[in-house]
Amino acid sequence: AQSVTQLGSHVSVSEGALVLLRCNYSSSVPPYLFWYVQYPNQGLQLLLKYTSAATLVKGINGFEAEFKKSETSFHLTKPSAHMSDAAEYFCAVRGAGFQKLVFGTGTRLLVSP
Amino acid sequence: EPEVTQTPSHQVTQMGQEVILRCVPISNHLYFYWYRQILGQKVEFLVSFYNNEISEKSEIFDDQFSVERPDGSNFTLKIRSTKLEDSAMYFCASSEAGQESYEQYFGPGTRLTVT
Repeated sequence: AQSVTQLGSHVSVSEGALVLLRCNYSSSVPPYLFWYVQYPNQGLQLLLKYTSAATLVKGINGFEAEFKKSETSFHLTKPSAHMSDAAEYFCAVRGAGFQKLVFGTGTRLLVSP
Repeated sequence: EPEVTQTPSHQVTQMGQEVILRCVPISNHLYFYWYRQILGQKVEFLVSFYNNEISEKSEIFDDQFSVERPDGSNFTLKIRSTKLEDSAMYFCASSEAGQESYEQYFGPGTRLTVT
């Protein structure tokens, strides 16, 4: 069975600081991993995805994530936070042969001036 | 840019009533999904639908739930007899294909409140 764990329900950073949102996965089959962002009153928007082509994945809005099999991690980073990055971020996993996405509990990113 | 749309944005219903949540997936997509998010909890998969059939469903998706593609554009989720615990945000999603690498595009959600 596939699952993801997101450490920290809330992360606070100052504008311009490094953003690091943690995600660890558990999967019995090669995983496909995704980060989604949800702005208030909006749906889920894909930031980036890992599909085994490259371990460092670049996404929209300056975000990137690195797949580390040895650590079963897929942490999301951004070098310099912007006020507009304040949102909820969800890590999700999809196992080979499955259509469903399995989501983590989400991390709310707060950015202060 | 094409997007998934959902109506209504908010639905209030009484316990025991039937509700139908509507979604218009992206036009060239072939796979459709429903997820839900109870307040403060994870986003949970309910069902996927392809070629007019359910292709995968979760334990949550019991006999009280059904899905339908009544025409070429709409995709609906019906809850036959709503319970208080059905109160949640319901998200519709669609994808071009079913393979794992294909992105699922999500709609803005319908907030269902059962009183």
